[in-house]
Amino acid sequence: DTGVSQNPRHKITKRGQNVTFRCDPISEHNRLYWYRQTLGQGPEFLTYFQNEAQLEKSRLLSDRFSAERPKGSFSTLEIQRTEQGDSAMYLCASSSRDSPGYNEQFFGPGTRLTVL
Amino acid sequence: RKEVEQDPGPFNVPEGATVAFNCTYSNSASQSFFWYRQDCRKEPKLLMSVYSSGNEDGRFTAQLNRASQYISLLIRDSKLSDSATYLCGNLGNFNKFYFGSGTKLNVKP
Repeated sequence: DTGVSQNPRHKITKRGQNVTFRCDPISEHNRLYWYRQTLGQGPEFLTYFQNEAQLEKSRLLSDRFSAERPKGSFSTLEIQRTEQGDSAMYLCASSSRDSPGYNEQFFGPGTRLTVL
Repeated sequence: RKEVEQDPGPFNVPEGATVAFNCTYSNSASQSFFWYRQDCRKEPKLLMSVYSSGNEDGRFTAQLNRASQYISLLIRDSKLSDSATYLCGNLGNFNKFYFGSGTKLNVKP
């Protein structure tokens, strides 16, 4: 399977714990995005990498959230001191700057986080 | 004001009907535009890109109206399997991607 993969698919944690999610993009894609989606809403932009550089971060993202893409391949999203309001689906998407399919994003299956 | 806005629906249509959705965007400098389909509890899947000249793929046609800042999606001859939520998205400043909240479509027999 050469699509975007995410692990774990589900995570249940207690309030105050730290969690880390992983995303493996499509191998030739140099851009990687993280989103959060809650019921009835579209995906909300969190942050974006081009290769290993984190180029943009949402102003809505608290400092409890951090993301890395150390070698320009897979990425991790960490949430520290989780709160119940962090419960959501966390989606990763990748895209290429190059044609064809310029800027078309392909999503992974997501990690569903439940904070108790 | 949200970057991208959509009518949440639901649009309830019979099989074989033609249905159209609009999506407005606020940033006139937005570049690329897309329609995604999302099934319940699944990830969004790219349906089609929206080009300035429009784009057609089988029963699906997408249009871009820059003057009025909206994109549209037309589905002809609706199938039961078209039932889903349709998300529009655009690439704005600094390569940030914005999505609407989605329009729910129910196609009934």
